[in-house]
Amino acid sequence: QKEVEQDPGPLSVPEGAIVSLNCTYSNSAFQYFMWYRQYSRKGPELLMYTYSSGNKEDGRFTAQVDKSSKYISLFIRDSQPSDSATYLCAFPIYNQGGKLIFGQGTELSVKP
Amino acid sequence: DVKVTQSSRYLVKRTGEKVFLECVQDMDHENMFWYRQDPGLGLRLIYFSYDVKMKEKGDIPEGYSVSREKKERFSLILESASTNQTSMYLCASRGGVTTQYFGPGTRLLVL
Repeated sequence: QKEVEQDPGPLSVPEGAIVSLNCTYSNSAFQYFMWYRQYSRKGPELLMYTYSSGNKEDGRFTAQVDKSSKYISLFIRDSQPSDSATYLCAFPIYNQGGKLIFGQGTELSVKP
Repeated sequence: DVKVTQSSRYLVKRTGEKVFLECVQDMDHENMFWYRQDPGLGLRLIYFSYDVKMKEKGDIPEGYSVSREKKERFSLILESASTNQTSMYLCASRGGVTTQYFGPGTRLLVL
């Protein structure tokens, strides 16, 4: 079983739709939960991170964590064509310098 | 604003060549990382460094070495490039407890 599972997509939605992106993980030691956005041919950029179960909101983006189910989600409201990118969930591991364990990434396309 | 820069955006090299990829960060971060990103495999850690001259192997160090002579600079070296090292290479530096900042990446093609 992979440590992190993320559906690679691609996911195509119309502009204005609500997007739901998800990851499941198996390692109970994960304590921080992060979402990166990666535009084509660019490096990943940190979108959001959260520590605890529950929701964290930042503008049109909401990160949701359910530690008991080992499941995290990223919701994008009122999606825009500029949101078209690959979204990666990531989990830091502290006994290896804080390296990140990444999901495979979900490719999202928002059509005008 | 944190800035992580990588020396090249695109590189084409021949099999057997020695390849140097350089990364510089401007935030005085202690921890720096090299990942490679491949379709279907995601990002995988090659090496990381937690201080000057200190380095640790990541998950896929074979065929690579690193150098950290100054805090701001972390170099990845492919001793003898092979075609299976064709990939996107991403450097990152870590500030605070969690946050890793990535450079723009270097797309390396080994012929």
